[in-house]
Amino acid sequence: NAGVTQTPKFQVLKTGQSMTLQCAQDMNHEYMSWYRQDPGMGLRLIHYSVGAGITDQGEVPNGYNVSRSTTEDFPLRLLSAAPSQTSVYFCASTTRTGDYGYTFGSGTRLTVV
Amino acid sequence: AQKVTQAQTEISVVEKEDVTLDCVYETRDTTYYLFWYKQPPSGELVFLIRRNSFDEQNEISGRYSWNFQKSTSSFNFTITASQVVDSAVYFCALSEEPAGTYKYIFGTGTRLKVLA
Repeated sequence: NAGVTQTPKFQVLKTGQSMTLQCAQDMNHEYMSWYRQDPGMGLRLIHYSVGAGITDQGEVPNGYNVSRSTTEDFPLRLLSAAPSQTSVYFCASTTRTGDYGYTFGSGTRLTVV
Repeated sequence: AQKVTQAQTEISVVEKEDVTLDCVYETRDTTYYLFWYKQPPSGELVFLIRRNSFDEQNEISGRYSWNFQKSTSSFNFTITASQVVDSAVYFCALSEEPAGTYKYIFGTGTRLKVLA
């Protein structure tokens, strides 16, 4: 039982490049989310999914796309990277009842130059 | 609008001291959930507690305790007899119904440093 697995752990992108942050969970959790963490701002919700085929925007969705074709996977796509997207990205999953809160992945530290 | 305020940016204590981390929230909903997470220097986020708005009982888990007061919209976290391993950033979070289980609003976090 690996929990929530995020890859890569570190990434440097040039402005304008695109990439996909991978997220997979093996706990059969219905809900999955992406958050970004910036200094002094806590964590902010980018996108979330309540089940396969269902996604919605969070607080800061601009510049990001998501899809959820399976229960296990929830990739985050950066369409055209900008320096403002330099951040630490966390994927998280939880059950429908959320009794034990989110299980978070270990994070991806992204730098856009 | 929902909001979580953690006014203490950083706290330093000496080992074995008690320390309280403050969390004040704003919400218009009557049904909501409050959470605390720990982020140690390694960077992962660790779930500590979830409390719903209808349960104002204080919670104790070992050296950790939580004081939920709806009258002051606060959900404070106390560590008794702090240890160096408690050094971390602690986040308080709020989630309202109907998305109470997955749409969190986080505070900006409190960095706790426990000195040996």
